[in-house]
Amino acid sequence: EVQLLESGGGLVQPGGSLRLSCAASGLSFSSYAMSWVRQAPGKGLEWVSAITGSGAGTYYADSVKGRFTISRDNSKNTLYLQMNSLRAEDTAVYYCAKTSTGPNFFDYWGQGTLVTVSS
Amino acid sequence: DIQMTQSPSTLSASVGDRVTITCRASQSISSWLAWYQQKPGKAPKLLIYKASSLESGVPSRFSGSGSGTEFTLTISSLQPDDFATYYCQQYNSFPFTFGPGTKVDIK
Repeated sequence: EVQLLESGGGLVQPGGSLRLSCAASGLSFSSYAMSWVRQAPGKGLEWVSAITGSGAGTYYADSVKGRFTISRDNSKNTLYLQMNSLRAEDTAVYYCAKTSTGPNFFDYWGQGTLVTVSS
Repeated sequence: DIQMTQSPSTLSASVGDRVTITCRASQSISSWLAWYQQKPGKAPKLLIYKASSLESGVPSRFSGSGSGTEFTLTISSLQPDDFATYYCQQYNSFPFTFGPGTKVDIK
C-alpha cells in the first residue's frame, strides 16, 4: 500500500524559511515523479512544484519560483520542499502527491502538513 | 497558463439525484483532465483520469466525459458519501492547474 507522510510544517515569520519532508513507502519511489500541492485555508487546490523520478527535472508555479526548491533523496524514499522568503500568502496545507506513471495526474496524496506564515 | 473554470460553484442535491459538474479549460487540453473529490480536513481523492477513465476502486456511479475544452463529471445517483467538493485538474502542460471547485451539499 502506498503511503505518503508529510512533516515539517509549523508557524514561521514572514521572510523565514521552512523545509517540508514527505516520506514515501509501498512504492518504487524513484520510478515516479512527485509534486507538492497546497491549499490555503478555505480555498481551492494550487499545484506548487514537481520533480521527475530521477530528480533531474524540476518545475515550479510562478507564485513560488525563485523562493521554493523541490528535491528528493531516492535512497531515503523522501521528497522535500525548501521554502524561503515565506509570505503570508504561502499559508496553507501542503500535500505531497505521487504522479501516476506517464501522465501527470495524482493518484496518491499524503495527509498534508500546515504551514502558517505570520508574525 | 491554462485557466480552469467549474460550474456551478455550489450544488444542492438530494440522495438519489443525478448530478453533473462542468469544467472548462481556457485552451484545448485534449483528454488530459482528472477529477478529484475532497472532504473537509482530508486529502483529495482521485476519481477520474484522462477525462473518462475511472480510477480503480471508485464506484461506477461516477463517470467523466469530454475532450478539448469542455468536460463533465456525472454522479448517476448521489449517495450520502458523495457530499464533498469536486475539483478538475488539467495535466496537459505545466503549470498544472485546478478548477476552483464545486461543493455538493445536501438539499
